[in-house]
Amino acid sequence: DVKVTQSSRYLVKRTGEKVFLECVQDMDHENMFWYRQDPGLGLRLIYFSYDVKMKEKGDIPEGYSVSREKKERFSLILESASTNQTSMYLCASSLSYGTAQLYGYTFGSGTRLTVV
Amino acid sequence: GQQVMQIPQYQHVQEGEDFTTYCNSSTTLSNIQWYKQRPGGHPVFLIQLVKSGEVKKQKRLTFQFGEAKKNSSLHITATQTTDVGTYFCARSGGSYIPTFGRGTSLIVHP
Repeated sequence: DVKVTQSSRYLVKRTGEKVFLECVQDMDHENMFWYRQDPGLGLRLIYFSYDVKMKEKGDIPEGYSVSREKKERFSLILESASTNQTSMYLCASSLSYGTAQLYGYTFGSGTRLTVV
Repeated sequence: GQQVMQIPQYQHVQEGEDFTTYCNSSTTLSNIQWYKQRPGGHPVFLIQLVKSGEVKKQKRLTFQFGEAKKNSSLHITATQTTDVGTYFCARSGGSYIPTFGRGTSLIVHP
């Protein structure tokens, strides 16, 4: 089975800190995604990447950046954490379009970030 | 991204009752996917529907795709406490980027 691993399950950071959330997948997937999940708002796409060193903005990229230096790893960076970035962050991966439609998207277990 | 609207937001049922959640779009969908997220867990892919009028079953779960490919539904027959969670639909028509509905949270009372 595909495994998507997020480095931390819980994180507490201070306002203004630079925060790195790491995601690693082990099945050679081309596409990787970062979502945040908030009660009543569902899953909102922050950034995605369809290849190494490639990135595209999602629906809510403000305050975030990403890095994909290797195919298996996709990092989400909060340049200066703020309290409104307290949320559950979910990483996902998929094969390229076509196959992804058969197998869907595989999510990591999530990182619950609290900014104080 | 273009929205998919899910209703209801919450649904309380007694164990053994049926449950249905609906996913609607103002534009035609190339396909629709359904995911389940258990409390404290992460979304897990359940199924994908592609064809107009398509119906697929997984044990007590029945998934339908509308004839016009603008809506979809997930029906659970005789709910069990293990069905508790949030059910999301997602569209990815025209691209590989899924856009998720806000989900329907199912609460099953024993």
